[in-house]
Amino acid sequence: AQKVTQAQTEISVVEKEDVTLDCVYETRDTTYYLFWYKQPPSGELVFLIRRNSFDEQNEISGRYSWNFQKSTSSFNFTITASQVVDSAVYFCALSGTNTGFQKLVFGTGTRLLVSP
Amino acid sequence: SQTIHQWPATLVQPVGSPLSLECTVEGTSNPNLYWYRQAAGRGLQLLFYSVGIGQISSEVPQNLSASRPQDRQFILSSKKLLLSDSGFYLCAWSVPKGEERSYEQYFGPGTRLTVT
Repeated sequence: AQKVTQAQTEISVVEKEDVTLDCVYETRDTTYYLFWYKQPPSGELVFLIRRNSFDEQNEISGRYSWNFQKSTSSFNFTITASQVVDSAVYFCALSGTNTGFQKLVFGTGTRLLVSP
Repeated sequence: SQTIHQWPATLVQPVGSPLSLECTVEGTSNPNLYWYRQAAGRGLQLLFYSVGIGQISSEVPQNLSASRPQDRQFILSSKKLLLSDSGFYLCAWSVPKGEERSYEQYFGPGTRLTVT
């Protein structure tokens, strides 16, 4: 069975602080994909990143960076110099490749509150 | 570019009434389509997915059904709503399986359903 754990239910930071959102996953698939989605107060899920299990290079996109460590089954997300607009619920998700369709398994999400 | 629409945005329905939520995708052909439900303060649960017209798979037994009458149209229905059907319903699409990007799902704006 596949599982995604986001142990941090809610994080509060002050603007300009750096913040890391943790994600730990479980899967028996040898090939899989990991994702992060952002859900702002409007409700729509916004795709942020997809990472292939064979690619352990860290990725940086502006103030966002992702650290994928296969040895610890973690895919953590860091926001540098946080801004109020970063306030949202962030979901980590996993998709194996051994099923007949692309099923996403989501974590329960981490609510990030960035105050001015 | 591709866009996904859902309506209505919000809905308040009494227990026992029927339900019909609609999702349409523009700018792509033969997408895979998904219905998710997000209960208050919780993660996303996959309800149905479809790989083609008339092809519906259900992930969990429930009071809901889905149909795909056209290539880019996905409908979520119920004959008699229960209180437990309240939640935020999200439709998503992905490109058909065959390329890496097929594992990315793109979400619509969602429908907030309250059953009273």
